[in-house]
Formats: sequence, C-alpha cells, structure tokens
Amino acid sequence: TQLLEQSPQFLSIQEGENLTVYCNSSSVFSSLQWYRQEPGEGPVLLVTVVTGGEVKKLKRLTFQFGDARKDSSLHITAAQTGDTGLYLCAGYYNTDKLIFGTGTRLQVFP
Amino acid sequence: DAGITQSPRHKVTETGTPVTLRCHQTENHRYMYWYRQDPGHGLRLIHYSYGVKDTDKGEVSDGYSVSRSKTEDFLLTLESATSSQTSVYFCAISSLGGSTEAFFGQGTRLTVV
Repeated sequence: TQLLEQSPQFLSIQEGENLTVYCNSSSVFSSLQWYRQEPGEGPVLLVTVVTGGEVKKLKRLTFQFGDARKDSSLHITAAQTGDTGLYLCAGYYNTDKLIFGTGTRLQVFP
Repeated sequence: DAGITQSPRHKVTETGTPVTLRCHQTENHRYMYWYRQDPGHGLRLIHYSYGVKDTDKGEVSDGYSVSRSKTEDFLLTLESATSSQTSVYFCAISSLGGSTEAFFGQGTRLTVV
C-alpha cells in the first residue's frame, strides 16, 4: 500500500472541461508537491504547498493543501490539450524520504 | 536544466544476470533517489541517499542495492535480475530534502527477459 493515493487513476475529458485530481494519505506531511510528467521525460515540479489550508494558483491550475495536511487537490479550469500528461503528488516522509502518489493520467481531447 | 545523467538509457538483460544503473549529477546536491515507474503505481522509491556512503531503503528495496562513494554518483544494482524488475528507472536529486524541488533524470528503460 502506497502512502499517497491519488484519484482518479485515469481521466479523459474534452477541451474546455474542468477537472479535479485528489491526493490522500493517512499520514501528515509537512508539505506536498505536485509534479507533471510527459512521455519519455522525468517529472517536473508544478507547485509546493506548505501550510494547512493553503491555496495556490498557477494560471488555470489551483492547488489546495488540506487543513490537516493529509491531503491535497489539483483543479484545472478549462482544460487544454497541452494539459495532457501524468500528474503526481509527492511528499517528504520523515524529512528526507521523497515519496510519490499513484499518479493520475489525464488525456484532454480537442 | 539540472545536470543529471542516467546511464544506460536502455538495457535488455537476461534473468539472473547482475545489472548496474548509474546516476551522475553535476549540481552537488545532497540527496539522490532511485525510483521505478510501472503502470498504475506512479513512482515507487527504491533507495535513497542523504550523503556520501549514507543510504536508506525505500518502499520497494528488495532485490536492489545501492552505493554512493562520491557526491556526484549514485549506483543502483540488481544483483540477480528478475522479470518483475522490468521497469523504467528514474534517478532524482534534491538539495535539502524537506519541501525542496526534486530534479529528475531522463530515465532508464530496463527489460529483463
């Protein structure tokens, strides 16, 4: 069982739709990160949330850290084909062990 | 781009043979990580290092060993490769741990036949 569970595992939507991806854990994290990975590449950091209840916006992407610091969400408004990719949440467990969630594969169709 | 190089990029090996993957960084970052990526599992941590000769196990360490004799190099060894170790392996580095950004290599696709 992985410490960080993501849902949904797959998401296939049309351009212009909104979507939310969830990242949940039974453990408390001092911070959570979201990465995006494209085929054949390593993941690239999108954002880090560090304060319980924090909301961060990155253009059409909104990230939220749960009040109890056990969960996070990523909301995309008006998805575009360029948003297609694998989205991964991650957190440092016991300070230095960086672990990743199970991943959400997003496909946006024109 | 962060200076991380993984080698080889692709490898096909036979069951029972030893395999070593190399991760080389030019950033002088303290932390180095090895992950494997399989469909439906995201990235799973195999081993990580928090300094020269300082390593610890991750979630899926059975069948793998690591060594870090220099800051810049982190080696992952499969002592006797099995078909279940067919995967894409990623190396990552970060400077401080905590909430700092991790930078990834391009990955190594390993096939065990």
